[in-house]
Formats: sequence, structure tokens, C-alpha cells
Amino acid sequence: DQQVKQNSPSLSVQEGRISILNCDYTNSMFDYFLWYKKYPAEGPTFLISISSIKDKNEDGRFTVFLNKSAKHLSLHIVPSQPGDSAVYFCAAGWGGGADGLTFGKGTHLIIQP
Amino acid sequence: GAVVSQHPSRVICKSGTSVKIECRSLDFQATTMFWYRQFPKQSLMLMATSNEGSKATYEQGVEKDKFLINHASLTLSTLTVTSAHPEDSSFYICSARDRVTPTDLYYGYTFGSGTRLTVV
Repeated sequence: DQQVKQNSPSLSVQEGRISILNCDYTNSMFDYFLWYKKYPAEGPTFLISISSIKDKNEDGRFTVFLNKSAKHLSLHIVPSQPGDSAVYFCAAGWGGGADGLTFGKGTHLIIQP
Repeated sequence: GAVVSQHPSRVICKSGTSVKIECRSLDFQATTMFWYRQFPKQSLMLMATSNEGSKATYEQGVEKDKFLINHASLTLSTLTVTSAHPEDSSFYICSARDRVTPTDLYYGYTFGSGTRLTVV
């Protein structure tokens, strides 16, 4: 049973527009969420995170929104740039970190020129 | 920032042999290290969690006798794939967790660059 779901395997967005990547989770015990950017044959690179006590976190072009009642979070990238093309993973964690993160399957974001 | 070094980046081995993958935290002491596996176009699946000086905790369905984890120091963990078979071919990624402060937005998780294992 997947506890973190990214239902869109891919997303194509025009350069300069907003990219919205979605993530749903089922385990209400998660108390923080992270987004990672990943290229093939490389490790994930941390982008942005949000604590479960917040509903929004912003860092430059990246904003993450959390809707706890819906168990849903989204990553907004605006404006989208060609260098943003990559696979984006949503991950969730809980407690003091004794457990590893639970990842979604990822969304391949393609920025069209 | 925190850096995790993972070696080798890619390895090809013959079926039946063993392969060792190293994961080192370069500028911090990792309280915990994690090993993940990623199949093509799939999620990163947690295989096991290791703490320095104690036995690793394996996720359900992961054979501990096949995937040997040694966490000998606070900066080094190794994953040995024993008697490798073609179905073990995958991308293996380690992650080391640092002690976190309330302002650590990355929650202490730093990932290695991964190892592409191909068993022929």
C-alpha cells in the first residue's frame, strides 16, 4: 500500500508558466514533507520542505502548500525554467528520524521552450 | 553543507559474486544511515536502516542475508549484495542523517549520488 502517491507520472509545462506538482499521502502520522529533484543515475537533491504544522512554505521560485485535511501537498514552481526539467519526488517523514523517508513514485517535469 | 559520498557510482559484476557499496558522511557524523533501492521509473524504496554499532533494521521483504549492511563508524556504512543475480540489478542510494536543529529545513537527510549495479 503506497503511503505517498504522485499520480502524474509526467507533466509538460511551457517555459515561464507555473508548474504544479501534486502529492497525496495516507498516513496521518507524517509530520514533515520534502520535495526532491532528481536526474537519472544521480541521488536526490533537496528542494524545499514543510512541517505539518504549516500550510505554506516559500523559497524563491518554489512554494509548497500543505492541506492536512485533504492529506495533499503541492509544489509550485514559478516561473518554470528549462533547468527545472527533471523528476520530482515527494517524500514524507515522521518522528525523530529513526525511520527513513517514504517516497512517491515521482513526476517527470518537462519544461517546453 | 552536509555531503555524503557513495562509491562506486556504477559497477558491473558477474552473477554469483558479491559487491560492496560504500556510503560516507564527509563532514558530519551520521546518527543513522539509510539504504534505498530504485527500479526504473519507480519510487525510492527503503531497504534498511542502520545505526552505528548495532544491527540494521530491514524493511519487510528485504533479505538481510542477501543485503548485508555494516555500519562500523559514525561516518561509514556499507551495503554488500551477496551472491548477486540479474534481478538485483538496480540503482542503490544511501542517505545519512545528521543531528538536526529546528532550522534545518532539509531535516538532516543527505543523499549519496547512488550506485548503478548491473549483474550479468
